[in-house]
Amino acid sequence: AQTVTQSQPEMSVQEAETVTLSCTYDTSESDYYLFWYKQPPSRQMILVIRQEAYKQQNATENRFSVNFQKAAKSFSLKISDSQLGDAAMYFCAYIRSDFGNEKLTFGTGTRLTIIP
Amino acid sequence: SAVISQKPSRDICQRGTSLTIQCQVDSQVTMMFWYRQQPGQSLTLIATANQGSEATYESGFVIDKFPISRPNLTFSTLTVSNMSPEDSSIYLCSVFSAGANVLTFGAGSRLTVL
Repeated sequence: AQTVTQSQPEMSVQEAETVTLSCTYDTSESDYYLFWYKQPPSRQMILVIRQEAYKQQNATENRFSVNFQKAAKSFSLKISDSQLGDAAMYFCAYIRSDFGNEKLTFGTGTRLTIIP
Repeated sequence: SAVISQKPSRDICQRGTSLTIQCQVDSQVTMMFWYRQQPGQSLTLIATANQGSEATYESGFVIDKFPISRPNLTFSTLTVSNMSPEDSSIYLCSVFSAGANVLTFGAGSRLTVL
């Protein structure tokens, strides 16, 4: 079974600085998707970034980028120029590329605090 | 990506009662997913709802406790039955936006059971 591990329950960063959130996963599949979701206090789950496993190039969305290391099964999220609005729970998630009835597997989350 | 309307946003309920959560999607989708998020925890899949068939429940979740309806391709309901304080959680519905290959979530329903 697939597992997703987030080893940092909490992280904090000074406003305007850069922070990296860690995520590792375990799978025997070669083709899959990885996601980072953000959940602010409003509790809405918001997609931050997505990575297809077959793409070697790391995904980037404005201030958010990932470091995808397929061989190491690592998928970290880097937030540059941190802003107060980035404060939230961040969840790493995995799904096999052949969606079907496959469920999305979530990590336990990392709570990110932004220090003004 | 699909847009999901979920209601109620929050509710406070008495022990032993039932509450039905509704999820409306702005496009037709094959599968809808219902998640539970207990306080301070990650998301746990309750069941997958397919239109025209029985929902598929994950281990630890049963139909008698969490009956699900899926009358058409844009709507689903989840009922939390015979509630106890342990059912106090956020319940979220979600769908896959096939074109974007992402899972989109409703805003969640925060349920408190007294």
